[in-house]
Amino acid sequence: NAGVTQTPKFQVLKTGQSMTLQCAQDMNHEYMSWYRQDPGMGLRLIHYSVGAGITDQGEVPNGYNVSRSTTEDFPLRLLSAAPSQTSVYFCASSTPTGGTVNTEAFFGQGTRLTVV
Amino acid sequence: AQRVTQPEKLLSVFKGAPVELKCNYSYSGSPELFWYVQYSRQRLQLLLRHISRESIKGFTADLNKGETSFHLKKPFAQEEDSAMYYCALSGRGSNYKLTFGKGTLLTVNP
Repeated sequence: NAGVTQTPKFQVLKTGQSMTLQCAQDMNHEYMSWYRQDPGMGLRLIHYSVGAGITDQGEVPNGYNVSRSTTEDFPLRLLSAAPSQTSVYFCASSTPTGGTVNTEAFFGQGTRLTVV
Repeated sequence: AQRVTQPEKLLSVFKGAPVELKCNYSYSGSPELFWYVQYSRQRLQLLLRHISRESIKGFTADLNKGETSFHLKKPFAQEEDSAMYYCALSGRGSNYKLTFGKGTLLTVNP
């Protein structure tokens, strides 16, 4: 069971370049999210999706685009990379439950992005 | 707005000593509280959630609604507990939208 898979693991971009960070999960989870992790800042939510075809902005959405055409995939696009987007990016997936039980979020291994 | 505060960036203890990682939160409603852990070069993984009232790897955490706290405790720290610990909060049933604290790096010295 692969869980949440992110590619690539490492990437160096030049300022102004665009790229897509891939995220795939094989647990049939409805929910998927993207976070960025910066030193001293913890993890901050970029975008999230509660199901195929549904996405919404998180805390720090500027400069990023997402789409959710399938349950399994949730790519994150950097439109025009900037040095401020140098970070470690984590994708997570989870599933809703009935009642008041909140299940855990499963995280990918992260993508370390450097923008020069 | 929801917020999670972890006041200690770094915490260093000796093996066998008790450890407490502090977490305070603000949320207008009934929050779900979690502790996530990230060992060196590994992905973030769930350690505890308040609703389960469980003890994992000797760690416990009690939700104190009066003090809006969810501190993580372990009576006897082990070297393998060295990791980054994040306290996180979400609305009920909204675990796709976690708010994280800034994290506490725990080092357990031999």
